[in-house]
Amino acid sequence: DAGVIQSPRHEVTEMGQEVTLRCKPISGHDYLFWYRQTMMRGLELLIYFNNNVPIDDSGMPEDRFSAKMPNASFSTLKIQPSEPRDSAVYFCASSLWGLSSYNEQFFGPGTRLTVL
Amino acid sequence: AQTVTQSQPEMSVQEAETVTLSCTYDTSESDYYLFWYKQPPSRQMILVIRQEAYKQQNATENRFSVNFQKAAKSFSLKISDSQLGDAAMYFCAYKRSEKLVFGKGTKLTVNP
Repeated sequence: DAGVIQSPRHEVTEMGQEVTLRCKPISGHDYLFWYRQTMMRGLELLIYFNNNVPIDDSGMPEDRFSAKMPNASFSTLKIQPSEPRDSAVYFCASSLWGLSSYNEQFFGPGTRLTVL
Repeated sequence: AQTVTQSQPEMSVQEAETVTLSCTYDTSESDYYLFWYKQPPSRQMILVIRQEAYKQQNATENRFSVNFQKAAKSFSLKISDSQLGDAAMYFCAYKRSEKLVFGKGTKLTVNP
């Protein structure tokens, strides 16, 4: 299996531009998570989906952030408009309920976003 | 809300020696899971070891073991026979339902 795939690996954009991050979970997994990692705040859960339905988006920082999962094999995290404080590494992870008692989350390689 | 605290921002160890990374957490729940993740410079998050709260026996994975003290809400990671490849950020994480809450991490340096 290819694991969780994220694109792009690096993104540099200017303040005010729209940014779209993409994620392909491991085939067959029914949970998908978006995390953000910064030096100040560490790793934070932004939102997660179960069977393509958003379950908890309480970690989404503000209305500029939105996430979608149109099908079981694809999810996007969009920031519009982007701001310098959005600069971070964004991780996508997926898991399969019942695979084990603790439902391990498998992480993608992350997207490093820099907003100038 | 659950919180996870790693009180050691940085640690160092000599190759082949043993090091212990500390983690405490706050929860009112009795059923949950605890994890240690490793993040090398490549950024990839790698699961090192896990512990189910209902199990009293401490988890062990080769050179990695934990000291789980449920009453004290403590979950430390011991790395034995440290290797250069163990150098990384280590994150302690708490999980209940499907949500992972991470500590701020400990940067481990392994000196040859």
